[in-house]
Amino acid sequence: DTAVSQTPKYLVTQMGNDKSIKCEQNLGHDTMYWYKQDSKKFLKIMFSYNNKELIINETVPNRFSPKSPDKAHLNLHINSLELGDSAVYFCASSQYRRSESQGQFFGPGTRLTVL
Amino acid sequence: AQSVTQLDSHVSVSEGTPVLLRCNYSSSYSPSLFWYVQHPNKGLQLLLKYTSAATLVKGINGFEAEFKKSETSFHLTKPSAHMSDAAEYFCVVSEGIQGAQKLVFGQGTRLTINP
Repeated sequence: DTAVSQTPKYLVTQMGNDKSIKCEQNLGHDTMYWYKQDSKKFLKIMFSYNNKELIINETVPNRFSPKSPDKAHLNLHINSLELGDSAVYFCASSQYRRSESQGQFFGPGTRLTVL
Repeated sequence: AQSVTQLDSHVSVSEGTPVLLRCNYSSSYSPSLFWYVQHPNKGLQLLLKYTSAATLVKGINGFEAEFKKSETSFHLTKPSAHMSDAAEYFCVVSEGIQGAQKLVFGQGTRLTINP
């Protein structure tokens, strides 16, 4: 059974289009995340939700809008796609514990290419 | 803000020889530190984590890391490299935020194994 799954795995689209990436986790975790990995493999957090509540919102353009219908799902919608949005997007999940940081479980990634 | 610096962008070793991947951290308090591995075109997998228990942490696949507060280091080692260890390795520090865990990634070290 896949712990954290993302769809689609690959996404090729034209500039100006709107697209969504879906993420689901079956680990029973309460916190989910979106990360962006650029062409130099640098990873940066974008958003985090805890039990459907937005907790982390880094300096991401407002063309990016996360949505969490329930604690097992966190989707990412991107409006008016730009060339610079081309990257690999990773979803992750963890169980939040105030007393100790837990590792996060990552999905396989979605490679977005904007032409 | 917390940060990590991976001192080598690329490390190349021969199969069967030791591996050393270096990481220094910057933190205003006792940090939570992680090493993640990313095989080509795959997601990220947690290798090991340090959360203020034992300073020598053992992980999966024979890897271990030692937390040295005096040197602000968290280097990753393995006694004998295997061809399957070829991958990108990330040193990560966690920033505690109420309700979530913000991971701050190093720039990554690409490990190449020579036959």
